[in-house]
Amino acid sequence: EPEVTQTPSHQVTQMGQEVILRCVPISNHLYFYWYRQILGQKVEFLVSFYNNEISEKSEIFDDQFSVERPDGSNFTLKIRSTKLEDSAMYFCASRDPRGTIYEQYFGPGTRLTVT
Amino acid sequence: DQQVKQNSPSLSVQEGRISILNCDYTNSMFDYFLWYKKYPAEGPTFLISISSIKDKNEDGRFTVFLNKSAKHLSLHIVPSQPGDSAVYFCAASEGATNKLIFGTGTLLAVQP
Repeated sequence: EPEVTQTPSHQVTQMGQEVILRCVPISNHLYFYWYRQILGQKVEFLVSFYNNEISEKSEIFDDQFSVERPDGSNFTLKIRSTKLEDSAMYFCASRDPRGTIYEQYFGPGTRLTVT
Repeated sequence: DQQVKQNSPSLSVQEGRISILNCDYTNSMFDYFLWYKKYPAEGPTFLISISSIKDKNEDGRFTVFLNKSAKHLSLHIVPSQPGDSAVYFCAASEGATNKLIFGTGTLLAVQP
């Protein structure tokens, strides 16, 4: 069964460094999302991406964040200058655009630790 | 701003009995609701969903009920199995991009 994959599973970085989190969505899906979950808190929406552009972003997704689909398979989240409060699990999700299918399928997540 | 709420942080149920997980929402514009199951160190796994035009959807042991007037939905698991032990998230789909608004989750423990 097709699944969303994410790399790396765990990323440790120093404050102020740039990180790139990578995702490979399900191949026939066209909507892509990033969410994050800070330890002990709820899963929060960051950004949605469709047709090679951001379709919606949350207040969390400020100028330090960017997303890109550099080729036909990868979907990346970049944080330019990480802060301690960026430490969280980051989940990529994708959705099939056909009909009324609303379900989003999530990857296993990348644990980002900023020290 | 808690648009989706799960007021029970945890629930313990005996194997074979029914598990009922509850979720309340405040935004009447939500048009689709989903339940996800999550194990530690894994991503949320889609379980079952329901459109706002329906009041019930069933898939095997899982049934979701929607009460629009009360802005309440529930997930019933019958019979509960130890492998069902996980955190269950209720989510609502919002807007043109169908972003998901998640509740805080309920930790279900099914005792053998």
